Amino acid sequence: KAGVTQTPRYLIKTRGQQVTLSCSPISGHRSVSWYQQTPGQGLQFLFEYFSETQRNKGNFPGRFSGRQFSNSRSEMNVSTLELGDSALYLCASSLVGLTRTMYNEQFFGPGTRLTVL
Amino acid sequence: GQSLEQPSEVTAVEGAIVQINCTYQTSGFYGLSWYQQHDGGAPTFLSYNALDGLEETGRFSSFLSRSDSYGYLLLQELQMKDSASYFCAVRALDSSYKLIFGSGTRLLVRP
Repeated sequence: KAGVTQTPRYLIKTRGQQVTLSCSPISGHRSVSWYQQTPGQGLQFLFEYFSETQRNKGNFPGRFSGRQFSNSRSEMNVSTLELGDSALYLCASSLVGLTRTMYNEQFFGPGTRLTVL
Repeated sequence: GQSLEQPSEVTAVEGAIVQINCTYQTSGFYGLSWYQQHDGGAPTFLSYNALDGLEETGRFSSFLSRSDSYGYLLLQELQMKDSASYFCAVRALDSSYKLIFGSGTRLLVRP
């Protein structure tokens, strides 16, 4: 079974631009979560989508948004990029949504390394 | 608020045993998970403790004590490939249900 895939793997943008990242979950996984990883802040939860609906959201500004398609693929968008948005963006999929079980295991993709200049 | 604290770095010798601690301050959570992340790689799930006590998975064991707000990951028979960062994580008990990660512990295994 193929793992979680994320595209692109690397991205360089300039301040003020916007970016869209893509995540394809493991087949059969309907929950997709997004995380931002930086050396200073560690792994921070962005949001989770389940069955095309945003179920949970972390403490990030409205510039960060996402969506999920009927095939469970998800996209994350960041508008008006700032230098501080430079990070590794990780997507993780799981079999059920976060609100359905306490035991789910998250499968992470390789991440998209975003650099904002 | 919720926070998890881990030592930033631990060094151990190949073949030895190492314990990575995780102390937390949270009003409630659904259990403690551990993830491993190699440099340049994605986090991978190692273990989950829903209840107090010890969970064993091969060379790795994880422990949780809710009364002490404390957990740890125990790695036995260390191998060079175990050099990685290890994160503890809890799932928030509030409506967000988000997964909150600790800052991570960088384990360096030396020959």
